[in-house]
Amino acid sequence: RKEVEQDPGPFNVPEGATVAFNCTYSNSASQSFFWYRQDCRKEPKLLMSVYSSGNEDGRFTAQLNRASQYISLLIRDSKLSDSATYLCVVNSMDTGRRALTFGSGTRLQVQP
Amino acid sequence: NAGVTQTPKFQVLKTGQSMTLQCAQDMNHEYMSWYRQDPGMGLRLIHYSVGAGITDQGEVPNGYNVSRSTTEDFPLRLLSAAPSQTSVYFCASSYQEGGQPEAFFGQGTRLTVV
Repeated sequence: RKEVEQDPGPFNVPEGATVAFNCTYSNSASQSFFWYRQDCRKEPKLLMSVYSSGNEDGRFTAQLNRASQYISLLIRDSKLSDSATYLCVVNSMDTGRRALTFGSGTRLQVQP
Repeated sequence: NAGVTQTPKFQVLKTGQSMTLQCAQDMNHEYMSWYRQDPGMGLRLIHYSVGAGITDQGEVPNGYNVSRSTTEDFPLRLLSAAPSQTSVYFCASSYQEGGQPEAFFGQGTRLTVV
């Protein structure tokens, strides 16, 4: 079983739609959680951190459910420029090292 | 503000050749790491370093060596290239301390081994 699992998609949505991505992680000792965005043939970039209380950044809302080991990302009013792959990322310390574990990503295609 | 710089951007190697992928950061980050990204696999950690003179293995270290003689540089060496090492390689850096570390990535090296 992968440590971080995501639906690979693609999610094809029209402009203006609301879309949600989910992610599950297997390591209960995981401490920090993130969503990264990766454009085609580019490097990943931090989109937002995910906090236990849930957090919002403009059209983006992230939620964390530690009991279910589940992370979500909601995008409202989708724009063409939101088309990218969204990576769920978990930071764990229980092996004595800090390392980010990446999901394989969910691809979003926003269509006009 | 350069951030994380990787060279080269593209490379083609023959099986058995060796080469070094360069990575440099100018943010004085203690933590640096190398990942490879393959289709459907996500990014997998190859090696990492928590500071100058300290390195350790990640998830997929076989066939790769690293060293960290300075805070700024973290080169990745392929000892004897194999077709299975065809991939996109990313170097990343972040602060060692802090509750929510953001990793900054280089632009990647697309490596093909024939």
